[in-house]
Amino acid sequence: DIQMTQSPSSLSASVGDRVTITCRASQGIRNDLGWYQQKPGKAPKRLIYAASSLQSGVPSRFSGSGSGTEFTLTISSLQPEDFATYYCLQHNSYPRGFTFGPGTKVDIK
Amino acid sequence: QVQLQESGPGLVKPSQTLSLTCTVSGGSISSGGYYWSWIRQHPGKGLEWIGYIYYSGSTYYNPSLKSRVTISVDTSKNQFSLKLSSVTAADTAVYYCARVDILTGYYWDYWGQGTLVTVSS
Repeated sequence: DIQMTQSPSSLSASVGDRVTITCRASQGIRNDLGWYQQKPGKAPKRLIYAASSLQSGVPSRFSGSGSGTEFTLTISSLQPEDFATYYCLQHNSYPRGFTFGPGTKVDIK
Repeated sequence: QVQLQESGPGLVKPSQTLSLTCTVSGGSISSGGYYWSWIRQHPGKGLEWIGYIYYSGSTYYNPSLKSRVTISVDTSKNQFSLKLSSVTAADTAVYYCARVDILTGYYWDYWGQGTLVTVSS
């Protein structure tokens, strides 16, 4: 099974800050990874697919990078609506299974 | 607009079987290109993928839950269902159904609102 880890598990930041979240896979997954944002009581929403491609309609302050086992999600200038929990999700397993990272909660400093 | 809605008991006794149904509207389960999935979220915790079914009936489950999970589909009702056997308090969670678009990078694009299932006697 492919295991995913994320760091940090939580962070406090201010509006306008640059925020970086890291996701690591237990084995190489090429770029078969997406990033999702979840707000309380809501279903997750995809921000990034194929590790670095911006989902249509998502603000350009979100970006993703990485390949293989290490990936990052960057928010270039944190906005009030970005306070949420962020999950990475891999889909490289064969047969086609999925693994979510444990999540990173971003809250207001 | 595709919509998914979970339904089923909100309270299940330990050792019994949890049964949930997801009704899909605005789109057909019988159209290819999608996995119909179940995910759960323990209170205050992260997301755990449970498994999925394709319209043909082929399934794949999270290895950690495989021995207790069955997902089935009823294309005539445009529904798919989850059964989780021998539940314990550790299975208390919000259960979501979701659609995964295979053709757009396995995009989890539509989700149900989630339903809380509590395991307690």
